[in-house]
Amino acid sequence: DQQVKQNSPSLSVQEGRISILNCDYTNSMFDYFLWYKKYPAEGPTFLISISSIKDKNEDGRFTVFLNKSAKHLSLHIVPSQPGDSAVYFCAASDDGGTSYGKLTFGQGTILTVHP
Amino acid sequence: DVKVTQSSRYLVKRTGEKVFLECVQDMDHENMFWYRQDPGLGLRLIYFSYDVKMKEKGDIPEGYSVSREKKERFSLILESASTNQTSMYLCASSLLGAGQGFYGYTFGSGTRLTVV
Repeated sequence: DQQVKQNSPSLSVQEGRISILNCDYTNSMFDYFLWYKKYPAEGPTFLISISSIKDKNEDGRFTVFLNKSAKHLSLHIVPSQPGDSAVYFCAASDDGGTSYGKLTFGQGTILTVHP
Repeated sequence: DVKVTQSSRYLVKRTGEKVFLECVQDMDHENMFWYRQDPGLGLRLIYFSYDVKMKEKGDIPEGYSVSREKKERFSLILESASTNQTSMYLCASSLLGAGQGFYGYTFGSGTRLTVV
């Protein structure tokens, strides 16, 4: 049962344009969401996060939006750069003080930014 | 710079072998995790540990065991390697659980294991 889903395996955008990566979840107990970026032959690195009490969080070119009623979050990258080309994973946690920060990940979306 | 170090980048093992994957972190983190990454399936949790000698099963623990004798070291053991365990294995650590000052995971670079 895939509780976190990234339905687009890949996304291709032109440099300078906006990249929008989407993520859906089914577990209403999730209360913290994160995005990770992964280059080949490297481990994932933390990009940006959002708590369920917020609907938006911004960090430079990266913005994450959360729609709790739709159980949907998205990552916007503006403007996109060729160095952003990587696999992006959405992750969620349902920690209530007992799950030790266990994260459930989506399948990942391969982003390619063309010069 | 904080680090999670996985002992091997690439491993090739034979079916039936006992395989040890080692992970060491230098951040004094309480929590450590083992995931495997497969195309189309994302990252799936195998086991995690929230303290020395403590362990919990993740979503796909079958065929694996773990050991955490020291806070900084978390080992994944494939008791009898099979071809369906060919995968990228990722170790991660975190300071606290979400809601307690959670800052996400720090991942190692991964071990690409091939079982032939």
